[in-house]
Amino acid sequence: KQEVTQIPAALSVPEGENLVLNCSFTDSAIYNLQWFRQDPGKGLTSLLLIQSSQREQTSGRLNASLDKSSGRSTLYIAASQPGDSATYLCAVRGGSQGNLIFGKGTKLSVKP
Amino acid sequence: SAVISQKPSRDICQRGTSLTIQCQVDSQVTMMFWYRQQPGQSLTLIATANQGSEATYESGFVIDKFPISRPNLTFSTLTVSNLSPEDSSIYLCRCGGQNTEAFFGQGTRLTVV
Repeated sequence: KQEVTQIPAALSVPEGENLVLNCSFTDSAIYNLQWFRQDPGKGLTSLLLIQSSQREQTSGRLNASLDKSSGRSTLYIAASQPGDSATYLCAVRGGSQGNLIFGKGTKLSVKP
Repeated sequence: SAVISQKPSRDICQRGTSLTIQCQVDSQVTMMFWYRQQPGQSLTLIATANQGSEATYESGFVIDKFPISRPNLTFSTLTVSNLSPEDSSIYLCRCGGQNTEAFFGQGTRLTVV
C-alpha cells in the first residue's frame, strides 16, 4: 500500500529565505507526482506536476525534483514571501483509476 | 487545464439533514473524484464518479451516506446524508485522469451543529 510522508510537518522562516520541503513515498511504481498548495479552509491549487519519466519541473520561484527510484521528491521555494504561507501537499498517482495518495502536508509560515 | 466551480463554499447544517455539493467543470472530463478532508488531516478519497455508471466507493464510504450523481461529463454532485458532527469537514471534488494534471474545486467547508 502506497504511503506518502512529508517532512517537516511545519516550518517557519523569515522572508527572503530559500527553503526545501520534502516528500517521500514507499512504492516507486507511480505515474506522476504533483505538488499542491492549500490555503486555510480552501481547495487545492496545483503547483507542479512531474511525470515519472521526468527529474524536475520549474515554475517561477518553485522547483520540484523527483527521484523515483529512491521514492523522494523535493519542492524548492526561492526567495520566500509572506504570500507563500500555506500548507503544501504532495500527492503521488498510481493504479488504473489515477488515484492520488496524499501526504499530510507541510504548513509553511513566512514571516515579514 | 480545467477550472472547477464548486458550490457552496461553506455551510452550517443541522444534525440529521443533508447537504448537496455541486461541481461544474469548464470542459468535459471522464472521471471526477470526491474527497473529504477532516480537520487537521490530509485528503481521503470518498469515491470515483464516471458518467453513465455507478460511482465506485472507497472502503469505509457507502452510497447511502454519500450518494453521488454524474449526469453528464461536466457536472457532478455529492450529497452528505443524515449529518452528524463527525461529518464536519472540507469536501473537495477534482478531475484529471491517470497521466494528466489534477485540478480541484475550491472546497466546501461543512460544519454540522
